[in-house]
Amino acid sequence: GAVVSQHPSRVICKSGTSVKIECRSLDFQATTMFWYRQFPKKSLMLMATSNEGSKATYEQGVEKDKFLINHASLTLSTLTVTSAHPEDSSFYICSATEGINQPQHFGDGTRLSIL
Amino acid sequence: GNSVTQMEGPVTLSEEAFLTINCTYTATGYPSLFWYVQYPGEGLQLLLKATKADDKGSNKGFEATYRKETTSFHLEKGSVQVSDSAVYFCALRGGSNYKLTFGKGTLLTVNP
Repeated sequence: GAVVSQHPSRVICKSGTSVKIECRSLDFQATTMFWYRQFPKKSLMLMATSNEGSKATYEQGVEKDKFLINHASLTLSTLTVTSAHPEDSSFYICSATEGINQPQHFGDGTRLSIL
Repeated sequence: GNSVTQMEGPVTLSEEAFLTINCTYTATGYPSLFWYVQYPGEGLQLLLKATKADDKGSNKGFEATYRKETTSFHLEKGSVQVSDSAVYFCALRGGSNYKLTFGKGTLLTVNP
């Protein structure tokens, strides 16, 4: 149980395009989802926390207009990287939790490469 | 604020060797502690957890004990396998905050 599906697993696109990444909880209801960014050989950096039906809370230094997060249902959150540039290239990982005392379950990540 | 410090790698071991990856933390209140594992090109998988002092989390031969007196949660395995090669992250979640605070990760390579 507790499966989180993230799609796509890899995307390559041209500079200036927008890219949407989906994160789905397949067998549980995720009241809260998290979006992380991971640089090569580095730890995970939390970008934002999203609760179903409300606006995401962004960490300091993360541009909310650049990284649009939508959490419209208890099983789906999306991250849209708008007008992506090469410096946005990274590994993006989502996680989901059923509640405050439950562990976070992670997706397999999305490798984003902007040319 | 909360922080996690884990031993820097990389760690290279031969198959069947004993593994220890140290992890210490700083947190207010009574955090929950976790070890996550990340295989190449994948997301993180929860390996084990402990939610209160003296709890021992265990899974797949790995163990870690929540030591409040030393604020530690060291990961151990008695006999590693090649398939254990991955990056291991220690993490904590403090109080009413959903957020996880991660260590920097330790790359483990096990050679046959």
